[in-house]
Amino acid sequence: GAGVSQTPSNKVTEKGKYVELRCDPISGHTALYWYRQSLGQGPEFLIYFQGTGAADDSGLPNDRFFAVRPEGSVSTLKIQRTERGDSAVYLCASSLVAGGLSDTQYFGPGTRLTVL
Amino acid sequence: KQEVTQIPAALSVPEGENLVLNCSFTDSAIYNLQWFRQDPGKGLTSLLLIQSSQREQTSGRLNASLDKSSGRSTLYIAASQPGDSATYLCAVSSDYKLSFGAGTTVTVRA
Repeated sequence: GAGVSQTPSNKVTEKGKYVELRCDPISGHTALYWYRQSLGQGPEFLIYFQGTGAADDSGLPNDRFFAVRPEGSVSTLKIQRTERGDSAVYLCASSLVAGGLSDTQYFGPGTRLTVL
Repeated sequence: KQEVTQIPAALSVPEGENLVLNCSFTDSAIYNLQWFRQDPGKGLTSLLLIQSSQREQTSGRLNASLDKSSGRSTLYIAASQPGDSATYLCAVSSDYKLSFGAGTTVTVRA
């Protein structure tokens, strides 16, 4: 079946602009996660959705970052007033249920964001 | 806060040699540990998941061990092939949140 998809695959924007990154999870997966990966580093947790609600947004770096999942499927990560330090690969993952001993997160290919 | 460390950061071996990748973590209160593979410009592919109550998992040429009390995991890849060249990441789950190491970049020379 189809995996996690993310669009766009690459986004180049100018400092101060607004961007939206989209994630389509695996059908039937109730849990959705956003991570950010900087060059040479492992991914860092940003936010976790269970259904439509953000159950944990403790990883969002500041209030310029916001994410929604209005119908419990597709999610959009929104970044306002982008800064050069926001440049990274943004990864989305989904899982059937969140947490637990055997919970496996399936990752999308990521969106590479470059802020000039 | 969970800290995950992977050593070495990079590894280059001739084809056919066995690979040993190490991962350590600071908080032993974990649900599971996963090993992922990441190819350049790609997302993450899950290789193995070891539940906290398990000691090891095997899949084909891959074997991963977990010593939760000492906060360590090791990924063994037998008889390496050039197609094994990639970055390998380990991640620990304390609930739903994964904490990742920075990865080990492996190059297998033909």
